[in-house]
Amino acid sequence: NAGVMQNPRHLVRRRGQEARLRCSPMKGHSHVYWYRQLPEEGLKFMVYLQKENIIDESGMPKERFSAEFPKEGPSILRIQQVVRGDSAAYFCASSPPGSSTDTQYFGPGTRLTVL
Amino acid sequence: DQQVKQNSPSLSVQEGRISILNCDYTNSMFDYFLWYKKYPAEGPTFLISISSIKDKNEDGRFTVFLNKSAKHLSLHIVPSQPGDSAVYFCAASAGTSGTYKYIFGTGTRLKVLA
Repeated sequence: NAGVMQNPRHLVRRRGQEARLRCSPMKGHSHVYWYRQLPEEGLKFMVYLQKENIIDESGMPKERFSAEFPKEGPSILRIQQVVRGDSAAYFCASSPPGSSTDTQYFGPGTRLTVL
Repeated sequence: DQQVKQNSPSLSVQEGRISILNCDYTNSMFDYFLWYKKYPAEGPTFLISISSIKDKNEDGRFTVFLNKSAKHLSLHIVPSQPGDSAVYFCAASAGTSGTYKYIFGTGTRLKVLA
């Protein structure tokens, strides 16, 4: 039973480019969460999605960041016009359907470097 | 505003001894607490959790203690093993603002010496 999958594991972008980070939840999971970890900090909640719905995006920066979890395919975190401050590790987590209180299981993360 | 604090960035313990990792929080609305372990280049792995209605939860070598009046929790690992060497994150959430919205501490790097 594969865990949460994220790709790419490493992504390098120049300032102004777009970054797309993908997350496939664990089999049977329908809740997806994205977190960001800046250097020397803890993980910070960004957004909570269910299939085709954004439930809570209170942790998302107001501009340039968007997330989706389509009916088919992985969840995507999209960062437009990246800046150096976007350099971080981005982790996706998933939990089973039925309750958002279930423990979240994390993927290996995507490390984004903006040059 | 750091609502979950892990004041010890690192800890070294001899193999076989007890490791005690500490975590303090400021938000009295937190009612669910978790510990995650993270190896380099991997995602956090869930270890153990505790609800605010309990003051202790045990799972094998791992025990989490919660002191609500002090807003403090700790993770005990006994006996410690070299494979336990990792960064440990404490996390908390509040049912009032979304149990799913974990607030993480900055982590404590545990090194178990053989």
